[in-house]
Amino acid sequence: DQQVKQNSPSLSVQEGRISILNCDYTNSMFDYFLWYKKYPAEGPTFLISISSIKDKNEDGRFTVFLNKSAKHLSLHIVPSQPGDSAVYFCAASELGNTNAGKSTFGDGTTLTVKP
Amino acid sequence: NAGVTQTPKFQVLKTGQSMTLQCAQDMNHNSMYWYRQDPGMGLRLIYYSASEGTTDKGEVPNGYNVSRLNKREFSLRLESAAPSQTSVYFCASSPGQGNSPLHFGNGTRLTVT
Repeated sequence: DQQVKQNSPSLSVQEGRISILNCDYTNSMFDYFLWYKKYPAEGPTFLISISSIKDKNEDGRFTVFLNKSAKHLSLHIVPSQPGDSAVYFCAASELGNTNAGKSTFGDGTTLTVKP
Repeated sequence: NAGVTQTPKFQVLKTGQSMTLQCAQDMNHNSMYWYRQDPGMGLRLIYYSASEGTTDKGEVPNGYNVSRLNKREFSLRLESAAPSQTSVYFCASSPGQGNSPLHFGNGTRLTVT
């Protein structure tokens, strides 16, 4: 039973346009959500996060939206650039010391931004 | 500042051989983690260490053991490697609070023949 799902394995967009990556979760105990970016032969790197008390968080070209009632979050990249081409992982965790920051990951979406 | 360092970068084992994957972080983080990533899949948690002196099983612990040697180092051991353990292994660390992102190493690509 996969608790974090990214239903689109791949996405291709034109440079300058918006990229929208989606993520769904099933565990209602998750209250902190993160997006990571991964280039080939490197480890994932943190991109942006959102806690469940918010519905939007913005950082430059990156915005994450959270819809708790639908258990859905999305990452918007505007404008998309060729350097954004990477695998994007959605992750979720439960706040609280007993969980030690463990995260559950989706399978990833490969974004290709065409010049 | 190196962050999270994993060794080796690549390894080929025969079925039944053993090996230890090493991980060290220099960020004074409390918590450390081992994940594996199989092709087309996300990262699955093998083991984690919430703090020095403690370790706990994650989602896929079978066939692995871990040691939190000190606050900096967290090793993953395969006692008898199997082809199903062919994967890319990532070590990560975090301060340990739930609202902190993970910092990952660059991975160890392991092939078991």
